Amino acid sequence: DVKVTQSSRYLVKRTGEKVFLECVQDMDHENMFWYRQDPGLGLRLIYFSYDVKMKEKGDIPEGYSVSREKKERFSLILESASTNQTSMYLCASSLPGSNEKLFFGSGTQLSVL
Amino acid sequence: RKEVEQDPGPFNVPEGATVAFNCTYSNSASQSFFWYRQDCRKEPKLLMSVYSSGNEDGRFTAQLNRASQYISLLIRDSKLSDSATYLCAVKKEYGGSQGNLIFGKGTKLSVKP
Repeated sequence: DVKVTQSSRYLVKRTGEKVFLECVQDMDHENMFWYRQDPGLGLRLIYFSYDVKMKEKGDIPEGYSVSREKKERFSLILESASTNQTSMYLCASSLPGSNEKLFFGSGTQLSVL
Repeated sequence: RKEVEQDPGPFNVPEGATVAFNCTYSNSASQSFFWYRQDCRKEPKLLMSVYSSGNEDGRFTAQLNRASQYISLLIRDSKLSDSATYLCAVKKEYGGSQGNLIFGKGTKLSVKP
């Protein structure tokens, strides 16, 4: 089974802190994604990557950046966390050509105080 | 019109009932459609793809109506274990994150004994 692992299940940070959310997948998938999920707003795509060192903006990239130095790892960075970035963050991976079959990690609930 | 819309529910049904969810999409050029299931406090998982001819997987039937631009999910003989949120997803055919999935906000189903 594909395993997508997110480093933390719960995270509490202060406004202005730099926050790193890590995601690792073990199935050699080329494609990796970061979503956030909020009540009433659903899942929204922040950034995605189709290859090492490659990144593309999703629908809501403002306030975020990403890093993909190795194929298995995709990091989401909040340069200066704000309270409106309190959310559930979900990482996903997929094979090329089948990015509809997404395998999600179990999520990181981030609270920014 | 929003890109992908779902009735949020909740749908509260007794065990054994048949329940149907609809999901409308705005882009008539959309080609690929999916249903994901998300259990409470868990990550989404692909339930089934939706094909033009309709498809069935046990008690679950997915259908596509291109003329009216909606997809549907029918669950027969509901089980307690079907209680979850059902997310529809449509492949984005244009724009900055083309090729990625746009998710609906989800429909919550609660099956009661």
